[in-house]
Amino acid sequence: QVQLVESGGGVVQPGRSLRLSCAASGFMFSNYIMHWVRQAPGKGLEWLAVLSTDGSHKFYADSVKGRFTISRDNSKNTAYLQMDSLRVEDTAVYYCARAPPYGSGDYWGQGTLVTVSS
Amino acid sequence: QSALTQPASVSGSPGQSITISCTGTSGDVGGYNYVSWYQQHPGKAPKLMIYDVNNRPSGVSNRFSGSKSGNTASLTISGLQAEDEADYYCISYTTSAARVFGGGTKLTVL
Repeated sequence: QVQLVESGGGVVQPGRSLRLSCAASGFMFSNYIMHWVRQAPGKGLEWLAVLSTDGSHKFYADSVKGRFTISRDNSKNTAYLQMDSLRVEDTAVYYCARAPPYGSGDYWGQGTLVTVSS
Repeated sequence: QSALTQPASVSGSPGQSITISCTGTSGDVGGYNYVSWYQQHPGKAPKLMIYDVNNRPSGVSNRFSGSKSGNTASLTISGLQAEDEADYYCISYTTSAARVFGGGTKLTVL
């Protein structure tokens, strides 16, 4: 069955970096685009980034452009979100999701919590 | 990348129908048939309910339906059930290939 498992979350100080991973199984990973979405405590969903199947096209929300980098390794069936210059307001549960072209996510992981605090 | 506009809350009684709107612009909702809807229960990951405006994934009840007119997409839930009580989010593809969510709608089943 389709499974997406996020990891790499934790507590980090403002200004530091963190890399999240999204391990995929149960489907042909290289055939799907990958999204990262976050949800701050008590808030709504916020779309962050999307990556094409071959990793050549990346698009970001304005709120994270220049600080976050999405990538993937199709040989490892894993997507990544490199988060630099973290801010307190980046505190959220981070989800990865797979999608067909132009889609927004048909399967999601369970999320990983990132807390940015001094 | 302005968020799509959804009502903060809607409510209905069991058996009734409700509709949640999602208003954007010609650069997102109005320009593409790539609007999806998600249901999210507290503490859970979002679940896809509708994709490409009006398509239901396998396993989603046919009580859920989607539509679009101009810059506004809509999610209709008929025959409301207690388990439908959740938060609902719309999301659209945009001109820049980014995506944008609506602010979310809390559905209360009275």
